[in-house]
Amino acid sequence: DQQVKQNSPSLSVQEGRISILNCDYTNSMFDYFLWYKKYPAEGPTFLISISSIKDKNEDGRFTVFLNKSAKHLSLHIVPSQPGDSAVYFCAASVRWYNNNDMRFGAGTRLTVKP
Amino acid sequence: IAGITQAPTSQILAAGRRMTLRCTQDMRHNAMYWYRQDLGLGLRLIHYSNTAGTTGKGEVPDGYSVSRANTDDFPLTLASAVPSQTSVYFCASSDRGGPTDTQYFGPGTRLTVL
Repeated sequence: DQQVKQNSPSLSVQEGRISILNCDYTNSMFDYFLWYKKYPAEGPTFLISISSIKDKNEDGRFTVFLNKSAKHLSLHIVPSQPGDSAVYFCAASVRWYNNNDMRFGAGTRLTVKP
Repeated sequence: IAGITQAPTSQILAAGRRMTLRCTQDMRHNAMYWYRQDLGLGLRLIHYSNTAGTTGKGEVPDGYSVSRANTDDFPLTLASAVPSQTSVYFCASSDRGGPTDTQYFGPGTRLTVL
């Protein structure tokens, strides 16, 4: 039972344009969300996070939007650069559980073409 | 450079054999984690440890065991490997543990069980 879903396995965009990666979740208890980025032959690295008390969090070229009613979040990358080409994982957890049960999506492979 | 190391990088193993995947971190993080990554499923937590001397079960713990004798090392053991344990295994660590703590991942171990 996948509680976090990334329905697009891949996405291709032109350099300089916006990349939008989507993530849906089914567990309404989730209240903390993260995005990780993974290059080939490396481990995932933390990119950006958002708690459920916010609907937007921005860090440079990366912005995460959260729509709690739709149980949907998205990662916007503007402008996209070739170095952004990687697999992006969405993850979710329940803060007040105070455990380590973070659920990940299957990932979306982003390709940014020069 | 500080970080997490994993060994081996890759391994082919006969079913029924015992295997220990090694993980060492030098960031003095309290919490450590083991995930497996399978195509279409994202990362799933196997076991975790919030501090030396303690361990806990994640989403998919069956067939795996861990120990945390000290802060730096967190080995994962497959007592009798089965083909369904073919996967890429990632070790991670975080400063405090818990659902909002940023996790730092190692480069992964690719394990094939025949």
